[in-house]
Amino acid sequence: EAQVTQNPRYLITVTGKKLTVTCSQNMNHEYMSWYRQDPGLGLRQIYYSMNVEVTDKGDVPEGYKVSRKEKRNFPLILESPSPNQTSLYFCASSLSSPASYEQYFGPGTRLTVT
Amino acid sequence: AQKVTQAQTEISVVEKEDVTLDCVYETRDTTYYLFWYKQPPSGELVFLIRRNSFDEQNEISGRYSWNFQKSTSSFNFTITASQVVDSAVYFCALSGSTGANNLFFGTGTRLTVIP
Repeated sequence: EAQVTQNPRYLITVTGKKLTVTCSQNMNHEYMSWYRQDPGLGLRQIYYSMNVEVTDKGDVPEGYKVSRKEKRNFPLILESPSPNQTSLYFCASSLSSPASYEQYFGPGTRLTVT
Repeated sequence: AQKVTQAQTEISVVEKEDVTLDCVYETRDTTYYLFWYKQPPSGELVFLIRRNSFDEQNEISGRYSWNFQKSTSSFNFTITASQVVDSAVYFCALSGSTGANNLFFGTGTRLTVIP
């Protein structure tokens, strides 16, 4: 089954404790992206990757890091999480640019930073 | 800059009523793409439609229809004979040729269909 998986689905952590949210897709997609969803703000793009070793900032990259060492994986790293990073996070992938191709979204990761 | 405005934060309708969700966009690009996504209570995001800026034909898919009007920079979504299963948050999104790697979402409209 074609899908985007994220882990963990739920995470409660404390300020400053480094964490990684994993994202994996099995569709051989070139493009992958991370979004955060906050009430009243919709979804905002954090980082995206056009291919292996190619990443770029989205609208709200501060406080986040990503890496794309393999085509299927695109982990989101919070080196020192803060309460304002409490949010619902979505990973997405598409064959290529999201302008041209439908994006497939993962199930979401709800992160709480206390 | 790309921007999507969904002015309707929440809408409630009674089952079988028709409902239109508004989407107004801003872009300086002549080539751009518009999308609608559905987020049901379970939380996942479901792709509904993608249109490019050169195709102003309205589209119908079952009870769903989309009206794209470049003159008013709008891409509205109508659900005919609404059903309880239509209850969800609906997002309109835009990707322009100058930022083709970015997808800009509106803030979403929460639709509640009352049985």
